[in-house]
Amino acid sequence: AQRVTQPEKLLSVFKGAPVELKCNYSYSGSPELFWYVQYSRQRLQLLLRHISRESIKGFTADLNKGETSFHLKKPFAQEEDSAMYYCALNAGGTSYGKLTFGQGTILTVHP
Amino acid sequence: GAVVSQHPSWVICKSGTSVKIECRSLDFQATTMFWYRQFPKQSLMLMATSNEGSKATYEQGVEKDKFLINHASLTLSTLTVTSAHPEDSSFYICSARKSGLERDNEQFFGPGTRLTVL
Repeated sequence: AQRVTQPEKLLSVFKGAPVELKCNYSYSGSPELFWYVQYSRQRLQLLLRHISRESIKGFTADLNKGETSFHLKKPFAQEEDSAMYYCALNAGGTSYGKLTFGQGTILTVHP
Repeated sequence: GAVVSQHPSWVICKSGTSVKIECRSLDFQATTMFWYRQFPKQSLMLMATSNEGSKATYEQGVEKDKFLINHASLTLSTLTVTSAHPEDSSFYICSARKSGLERDNEQFFGPGTRLTVL
């Protein structure tokens, strides 16, 4: 079975500092990885996905199959980045289409 | 586009009663919808996959007789919590995938429904 681990429940940085939210996964096949973000009192929304390889709001994430990681990075954090971030995995086979979420990381960016 | 709504946004009920939660895709058709449960400051746990016109697929450990799912149209799925008890109190979130774009795998999430069972 697939599993997603976000080791940090809370992460605090100052504005302008680099930020990295860690995500590790376990899955025997080729996964599809996502980062979802949930701002205060808002719904969950897609931030980025590994297959698109694009940068959204300055965030990037690279899938490292050797380390089974999909860490989310931003070189200069902004206060508006404060939110809950979830890493999620879509497995194939009979689980196709289903998302397995990590525990989430609450990012706080201080002024 | 791709807006998903849930109704109600919050509900309080007495133990033993049943509660229905609606999930609607407002500007797209969704063959597949998903129901999640989220405990405070915890992750989303997938409860079931709702497929239009067929029976829902439940995850291991989720009682299908307790959590009834109906996906009668391409824009509406309902979750009914039957004979609710205090331990069913939680935040229930639905998501939908656009019909015809299943390979895309992107899910659009509703705002969630807070259920409190007294």
